[in-house]
Amino acid sequence: GQQVMQIPQYQHVQEGEDFTTYCNSSTTLSNIQWYKQRPGGHPVFLIQLVKSGEVKKQKRLTFQFGEAKKNSSLHITATQTTDVGTYFCAGAPGNQFYFGTGTSLTVIP
Amino acid sequence: DTAVSQTPKYLVTQMGNDKSIKCEQNLGHDTMYWYKQDSKKFLKIMFSYNNKELIINETVPNRFSPKSPDKAHLNLHINSLELGDSAVYFCASSPGTGHYEQYFGPGTRLTVT
Repeated sequence: GQQVMQIPQYQHVQEGEDFTTYCNSSTTLSNIQWYKQRPGGHPVFLIQLVKSGEVKKQKRLTFQFGEAKKNSSLHITATQTTDVGTYFCAGAPGNQFYFGTGTSLTVIP
Repeated sequence: DTAVSQTPKYLVTQMGNDKSIKCEQNLGHDTMYWYKQDSKKFLKIMFSYNNKELIINETVPNRFSPKSPDKAHLNLHINSLELGDSAVYFCASSPGTGHYEQYFGPGTRLTVT
């Protein structure tokens, strides 16, 4: 079945350090989305990538979609305590999205 | 105004009971979903419902049944609850399938004892 894996599963960083989570699919994706879930909260949509090799930025966050449309990454520059949470990618090989396993980010002040 | 709402927020019940979780969205979206998030944070889609077409995740036991009285509501009914059903259940909606962002409700934490 469809699998979307993320690494690492957990990441602890010192405030100010950079952070990257990687998303890998076993099949080619038509598009990919990223969500953030704060502790005790619900997933909140961040961005969608559609084109091969696409790169999008939101302030300190940089999102990339791989050339083969099977992988993606989220990079956070100079993490802040407000970045704490679990980051999920969600890939769509067709009309159905499959969420990745998530990366839980802890930022140490 | 809350875009996607769920009730109840917490649900504690005993094994074997039947329970329902309600979901409502006021966004005018065509598609609604139910997700299960376990203790390891894995977020698994259970159902999606688009214009009266129900897509079922084949791994979901048939004790779980979605009911949609109208486009704005998608309730989840669970029969004969088991310990393994304990999880957080999220409802979500989107304008369509495949290329649209999903808006999640606040979640319902179900604990089966």
